[in-house]
Amino acid sequence: AQSVTQLDSQVPVFEEAPVELRCNYSSSVSVYLFWYVQYPNQGLQLLLKYLSGSTLVESINGFEAEFNKSQTSFHLRKPSVHISDTAEYFCAVSKNQGGKLIFGQGTELSVKP
Amino acid sequence: GAVVSQHPSRVICKSGTSVKIECRSLDFQATTMFWYRQFPKQSLMLMATSNEGSKATYEQGVEKDKFLINHASLTLSTLTVTSAHPEDSSFYICSALWTGNPEAFFGQGTRLTVV
Repeated sequence: AQSVTQLDSQVPVFEEAPVELRCNYSSSVSVYLFWYVQYPNQGLQLLLKYLSGSTLVESINGFEAEFNKSQTSFHLRKPSVHISDTAEYFCAVSKNQGGKLIFGQGTELSVKP
Repeated sequence: GAVVSQHPSRVICKSGTSVKIECRSLDFQATTMFWYRQFPKQSLMLMATSNEGSKATYEQGVEKDKFLINHASLTLSTLTVTSAHPEDSSFYICSALWTGNPEAFFGQGTRLTVV
């Protein structure tokens, strides 16, 4: 069975500082990896995804994540955060196309001025 | 990207009544829809997977008679919480995708409060 672990439940940072949100997964088969962002009382928005190919994936708003197969990790990074990045971030994995998503516990990113 | 609309966004109901939540794919045909629930400050837990025209597959521990899922068309799935109790109060989120696309698109969620 697959599982996803987000190592930090809360990450407080100052505006314009770099941030890394950690995600590790376990699976005996190849997986697809996703990062989602959730603002209060809203659904999930896809930030970025790894399906195949380049192990470094980027989003349009400055986030990036690198798939590391040997370390079974998919950490999310941003070199300089904004107040508006304050939200809950979920890492998720699915094992095949169109498969169900298994979510990590979530990381609350809090950006302070 | 594709759009999934969930309705209502917020509902309050009395204990013992039933509530129906709709999930619609607006610009694509959703061959598969998923229903999740999320308790405050917690992650999303998959409740069930529904494929158009067939019975939903429920995750272990989810009562199929309590959470009725219908996926009668390629653009609509419904979740009915029957005989709701306060412990059913939660945030319910649906997602949808089409065959061959690994990315699921999420609805806005429904905040259910049972009083």
